[in-house]
Amino acid sequence: AQSVAQPEDQVNVAEGNPLTVKCTYSVSGNPYLFWYVQYPNRGLQFLLKYITGDNLVKGSYGFEAEFNKSQTSFHLKKPSALVSDSALYFCAVREPHGGSQGNLIFGKGTKLSVKP
Amino acid sequence: KAGVTQTPRYLIKTRGQQVTLSCSPISGHRSVSWYQQTPGQGLQFLFEYFSETQRNKGNFPGRFSGRQFSNSRSEMNVSTLELGDSALYLCASSSGRIAGGGNEQFFGPGTRLTVL
Repeated sequence: AQSVAQPEDQVNVAEGNPLTVKCTYSVSGNPYLFWYVQYPNRGLQFLLKYITGDNLVKGSYGFEAEFNKSQTSFHLKKPSALVSDSALYFCAVREPHGGSQGNLIFGKGTKLSVKP
Repeated sequence: KAGVTQTPRYLIKTRGQQVTLSCSPISGHRSVSWYQQTPGQGLQFLFEYFSETQRNKGNFPGRFSGRQFSNSRSEMNVSTLELGDSALYLCASSSGRIAGGGNEQFFGPGTRLTVL
């Protein structure tokens, strides 16, 4: 069965420092991987995805993620954190079998707190 | 383009009642998925519709049902409400074709359901 793990409930970073939010996954075959962000009282916003190709994926708001097949990881990174990046971040996976677009399996989420 | 809209945004019901939530996808999107978000269980996939057909279903009891109309708008219904059904219900739409699963989903703001 598919699963996603986000080992850190919370990550604290000082503004201007690099940030990393960790994600590991377990699927059969090659996965589709996604990162979403959720601000308070809002729905989820898409940040980036890995489907195939270059292991380093660039997304919205300066975020990027690196797909590592051997470590089954898809960590989210940003070179310089902003206070406005403070939010809840979700990693998600979908097995690439034909037919379904919607059954994302989400991690528990990591709360990112960026202090000035 | 307008984003995914969900109505109502907030809802208070009592145990035993039923509720219907509505979702209008982004124009042109034919895939609509529903998720339940709770502090304890996180984000869980409920079901997915594509062209008025349910294509995938999560592990929820039969009290949870949905449908999709010819204009791609979707509704989900929960009958015989229980206290544990209190959650944020998120709808997401995708432009993906039937085959493949690499398209990102765009989420609405959610409907906050409180069951008393």
